[in-house]
Amino acid sequence: GAGVSQSPSNKVTEKGKDVELRCDPISGHTALYWYRQRLGQGLEFLIYFQGNSAPDKSGLPSDRFSAERTGESVSTLTIQRTQQEDSAVYLCASSRLAGGPSGELFFGEGSRLTVL
Amino acid sequence: GENVEQHPSTLSVQEGDSAVIKCTYSDSASNYFPWYKQELGKRPQLIIDIRSNVGEKKDQRIAVTLNKTAKHFSLHITETQPEDSAVYFCAGGGTDKLIFGTGTRLQVFP
Repeated sequence: GAGVSQSPSNKVTEKGKDVELRCDPISGHTALYWYRQRLGQGLEFLIYFQGNSAPDKSGLPSDRFSAERTGESVSTLTIQRTQQEDSAVYLCASSRLAGGPSGELFFGEGSRLTVL
Repeated sequence: GENVEQHPSTLSVQEGDSAVIKCTYSDSASNYFPWYKQELGKRPQLIIDIRSNVGEKKDQRIAVTLNKTAKHFSLHITETQPEDSAVYFCAGGGTDKLIFGTGTRLQVFP
């Protein structure tokens, strides 16, 4: 596609439910990132996939959060047993260059998660 | 790991004035420092970046400076216009993940 695509754009769920967020990066982009942005706040790093290397999961806030990526394609971010503090916009970004962030990140529109 | 701090959190200027946003980083191995602009309700977009082998870079009204010794870098916007109003994020990284600062909300008043 022309840009990074994320779905759903909006998700409202009840506390305790699991949610799955999807990111479709730009074709050929080897690096993929997930960030969390709470209302009016900064971009909080969650996880980074780089080609076939092991992902950097150091930003995941708890073991309720997990993410997968198949090769250099789609990634899914899963949040289990959602809590109200998980409410945020989850942004995915991809980059053409592997071997580090020495390249422009292209962000998706984000998935807005609201946990009631 | 890398930690990036950004100041100020909010900045208000009159149209035509200059705006300066400052960031510091902790990891001396970081060698790439981009700046992203996020307009209200939109995705962040790259506006300028600088690598550690360069001390300054300019693109029209926007410039970025880097002081590797002090581990800080700054964004300078000259002749500000109302359309410059947005949240600006600095970021730092090396061979892996990119860590963002907390953002600066810039308001340019006509």
